[in-house]
Amino acid sequence: EVYLVESGGGLVQPGGSLRLSCAASGFTFSSYWMAWVRQAPGKGLVWVSHIYSDGSDSSYADSVKGRFTISRDNAKNTLYMQMNSLRAEDTAVYYCARIADTPAEIDFWGQGTLVTVSS
Amino acid sequence: QPLLTQSSSSSASLGSSVRLTCTLSSGHSAYTIAWHQQQPGKAPRYLMRLEVSGDFNKGTRIPDRFSGSSSGADRYLTISNLQSEDEADYYCETWDSDTQVFGTGTKVTVL
Repeated sequence: EVYLVESGGGLVQPGGSLRLSCAASGFTFSSYWMAWVRQAPGKGLVWVSHIYSDGSDSSYADSVKGRFTISRDNAKNTLYMQMNSLRAEDTAVYYCARIADTPAEIDFWGQGTLVTVSS
Repeated sequence: QPLLTQSSSSSASLGSSVRLTCTLSSGHSAYTIAWHQQQPGKAPRYLMRLEVSGDFNKGTRIPDRFSGSSSGADRYLTISNLQSEDEADYYCETWDSDTQVFGTGTKVTVL
């Protein structure tokens, strides 16, 4: 069975940094594109970034471009998101997600980790 | 980049059926989409992939009550024999090589 388990969320001050991790199991991690999707309190789902299966390329939403960096370690079956220069509007639950094909829909979701940016 | 339009809410009685609509933007009417369910306080769950032809493929352990269909730029999710646990937000999603795009979601209330 597919499992995606996020960690690393928490409270951070504006301008601060945080690194999220997503541990994957139950499938061949190195064969799949992976994504981060966020959801601000009471709002809808918003794609943040995705990365190719081999880590050779990635894409970002305009709202995080230049501040967030997605990466992966296929030997550790782990996806990362380095978040710098955090703003109040980055406050959200961040979900790790598997992309079914290249490219395709998201077909598995993690349980999410909450990031709160506040002074 | 494709855009997806969903109505904000829908309601139906326990045991009845409800059909949700997701409309693709002009020039993107042939795109494949996916439907996701998000129950209150939970992570989203993948329901199905839905092609322009109306063919759909459901995710793991999705009940038979959930089905999909298509007409032009519209993609539908039908929930039959509505149950209390179907009260949730439903999001459609599409994609290209550079991005995933979500609709704004439809809140389904079971009366």
